[in-house]
Amino acid sequence: QKEVEQNSGPLSVPEGAIASLNCTYSDRGSQSFFWYRQYSGKSPELIMSIYSNGDKEDGRFTAQLNKASQYVSLLIRDSQPSDSATYLCAVDLGGYNKLIFGAGTRLAVHP
Amino acid sequence: DVKVTQSSRYLVKRTGEKVFLECVQDMDHENMFWYRQDPGLGLRLIYFSYDVKMKEKGDIPEGYSVSREKKERFSLILESASTNQTSMYLCASSLGQKGNTIYFGEGSWLTVV
Repeated sequence: QKEVEQNSGPLSVPEGAIASLNCTYSDRGSQSFFWYRQYSGKSPELIMSIYSNGDKEDGRFTAQLNKASQYVSLLIRDSQPSDSATYLCAVDLGGYNKLIFGAGTRLAVHP
Repeated sequence: DVKVTQSSRYLVKRTGEKVFLECVQDMDHENMFWYRQDPGLGLRLIYFSYDVKMKEKGDIPEGYSVSREKKERFSLILESASTNQTSMYLCASSLGQKGNTIYFGEGSWLTVV
């Protein structure tokens, strides 16, 4: 069974701090990696995608990928209360965009 | 903007009923997916389809079937609903190439009593 593991949280950070969310995956053949944000009662929305080792930055978000360690992370700089949500890590095993999701990490940003 | 529309947002059905969940996308996407989401379990893939009339089982297909007669429409069918199928169901779609973004519908909340 191919797995994607995330700490369920909640991860609580003060406003303005850096939030660090982590994800590990079991299948070394995984090729594409995604972070989705999901507000309570809403559907997931894509924040970042990353395909090669290293960092990818988009505004306040940075995704980091280390394929040797089978590890993906998401950093959120200058965290805002509006960032409070569940963050889902997803891995594409290759072919047909079939994603395997982690259970999600709940982030709470407090003023 | 990509639009994935799930026509039924909230449904309450009785045990044993046949349930249809409909999903339509307007971006000519080849791939379509049905996931269910339960607390603590994340999203689990039920079925997916990469072309009209084609379907593949996901991780939890038992108790479900699907239909894709037209490219834009992917239906999830619960042949005989059971209480353990109470969940949020998410439809999604994407272009056919590897690594493309998957877009989700707003979700259908199904309660089976």
